[in-house]
Amino acid sequence: AQSVAQPEDQVNVAEGNPLTVKCTYSVSGNPYLFWYVQYPNRGLQFLLKYITGDNLVKGSYGFEAEFNKSQTSFHLKKPSALVSDSALYFCAVRDTGGFKTIFGAGTRLFVKA
Amino acid sequence: DVKVTQSSRYLVKRTGEKVFLECVQDMDHENMFWYRQDPGLGLRLIYFSYDVKMKEKGDIPEGYSVSREKKERFSLILESASTNQTSMYLCASSYGTTNTGELFFGEGSRLTVL
Repeated sequence: AQSVAQPEDQVNVAEGNPLTVKCTYSVSGNPYLFWYVQYPNRGLQFLLKYITGDNLVKGSYGFEAEFNKSQTSFHLKKPSALVSDSALYFCAVRDTGGFKTIFGAGTRLFVKA
Repeated sequence: DVKVTQSSRYLVKRTGEKVFLECVQDMDHENMFWYRQDPGLGLRLIYFSYDVKMKEKGDIPEGYSVSREKKERFSLILESASTNQTSMYLCASSYGTTNTGELFFGEGSRLTVL
């Protein structure tokens, strides 16, 4: 069965500092991995995905994520946080054999000015 | 621009009522999904559809049904609403018959069942 763990309910970071939001996953086969962001009272917006190829994936708004197969992780990173990055972030996994996408519980990011 | 539209942003219903949540996408996507979002639980998949008139159960289908009569429209039906179905409901779609596409989400429908 597929599962996603986001071990931190909340991440606090000062503006200008690097940020990391952690994600680990479990699938029976090879994974497709995704990050989404949700602003208050809105739907989710796609940030980036790993399908195949280079383990470092770059996405929207300066975010990037690194796929680590041995650690089954897909952590989201940004070199310099902005106050406007404050939002709820979701990691998601899809088995390469199906359409079902499973989401983590979400991590709330607070960026302080 | 890509658009997934959920017809109702906020609904208040009474226990036992039948509830329809409508979702329309204008991107000619093959795949459509219904999730519910609850604090601390993330998003949980209720049903999805990869073609017209086709549907597959997700992880929490009990108490729900769906309808997809046209490619662009995917409806979620609560036959007899209960208070534990109070939640945010998110519709999403994705392109292609391969499964590498990301999901495009609507703004959500917040349902309160009294």
